[in-house]
Amino acid sequence: GAVVSQHPSWVICKSGTSVKIECRSLDFQATTMFWYRQFPKQSLMLMATSNEGSKATYEQGVEKDKFLINHASLTLSTLTVTSAHPEDSSFYICSARDILGEQFFGPGTRLTVL
Amino acid sequence: AQSVAQPEDQVNVAEGNPLTVKCTYSVSGNPYLFWYVQYPNRGLQFLLKYITGDNLVKGSYGFEAEFNKSQTSFHLKKPSALVSDSALYFCAVRDGSGSARQLTFGSGTQLTVLP
Repeated sequence: GAVVSQHPSWVICKSGTSVKIECRSLDFQATTMFWYRQFPKQSLMLMATSNEGSKATYEQGVEKDKFLINHASLTLSTLTVTSAHPEDSSFYICSARDILGEQFFGPGTRLTVL
Repeated sequence: AQSVAQPEDQVNVAEGNPLTVKCTYSVSGNPYLFWYVQYPNRGLQFLLKYITGDNLVKGSYGFEAEFNKSQTSFHLKKPSALVSDSALYFCAVRDGSGSARQLTFGSGTQLTVLP
């Protein structure tokens, strides 16, 4: 089946720094990628929808200047958490949708901001 | 608008017993329904989906789910639970006939299978 990778799998950073998370579709092209945030023992909350070559569409309440999304190619989307603070600590999961509309999920990235 | 409800935060079952994880949905058009499983600090793994056809859908690891249109439900089942089935389970829905193409997830149900 289709594989989606995320890098890094976990990251610890100091407050005020920026962190970039990569999401790659390894064996298919994804015109659309999704970024989710998940708090412990809670559901996935959609943050933004990323379309290749265009600006991301952010969900209500998600700061676009805080969470920068770039979808520069059909196999790569990046999420950059700018000026991270402890409240940004969370599990971030990306998902990629193939040409048939099937959605595949990455393994997630655990971000801890000290 | 589309929504999913998983009424149970936690389900406990003894190993070898049948298990059911409940899910109800609401969509204005045709429901596309999904079940995913998540192990600690891992992403979501696809279990099964219903798009059309037989109401009983069989998926990975011996799981199955039954689509019930009148009750707007899509409960996940397994005839004999394993300890290794212990994980967090998410039901998700997408409106197959609508313009919104993203999934909406339920709140999740923590399944614990006791040895």
